[in-house]
Amino acid sequence: QKEVEQDPGPLSVPEGAIVSLNCTYSNSAFQYFMWYRQYSRKGPELLMYTYSSGNKEDGRFTAQVDKSSKYISLFIRDSQPSDSATYLCAMGSQGGSEKLVFGKGTKLTVNP
Amino acid sequence: NAGVTQTPKFRILKIGQSMTLQCAQDMNHNYMYWYRQDPGMGLKLIYYSVGAGITDKGEVPNGYNVSRSTTEDFPLRLELAAPSQTSVYFCASKETVVYGYTFGSGTRLTVV
Repeated sequence: QKEVEQDPGPLSVPEGAIVSLNCTYSNSAFQYFMWYRQYSRKGPELLMYTYSSGNKEDGRFTAQVDKSSKYISLFIRDSQPSDSATYLCAMGSQGGSEKLVFGKGTKLTVNP
Repeated sequence: NAGVTQTPKFRILKIGQSMTLQCAQDMNHNYMYWYRQDPGMGLKLIYYSVGAGITDKGEVPNGYNVSRSTTEDFPLRLELAAPSQTSVYFCASKETVVYGYTFGSGTRLTVV
């Protein structure tokens, strides 16, 4: 079983739709969880960060972590064409090298 | 406000040639990382450093070398380039007390 699994998509939705992106993981030592957004031919940029289980909201974006199920989600409300990008989940544990393990990314297209 | 700067942006190498990918950050971050990103494969860690003078191998270090003589710079050396090293290379850095990485814009390398 891979350490982090993410459905690569691609996912295509109409403008205004609610988008749900998900990752599962196997390493119970992971303590913090992130979502990065990567536009075509650009470097990833940090979108959301959560520590341990729970929800975090930032504008149209909501990140959820369920450590008991080893499952994280990113919801995008009222999706816009500018949200079209690849979304990567990432997770890590405290201490040492602070290395992140990334999912393969889900490519999202929001159609006007 | 440069952040993480990677040079060059593009490069074509012939099999057997060598080159150095440059990475510099001006945020005084101790932690620095090199990842490679292949289509549909996510980000894989090549090497990382937790401070000047300290480097360690990541998931896919074969064919690469790094050095960290200063806090600011973390060059990645490719010796005897092979077609399997065709990829997009990202450098990233982070503060000690912050979980998220800041990525550079990447170097797109083709080995022919």
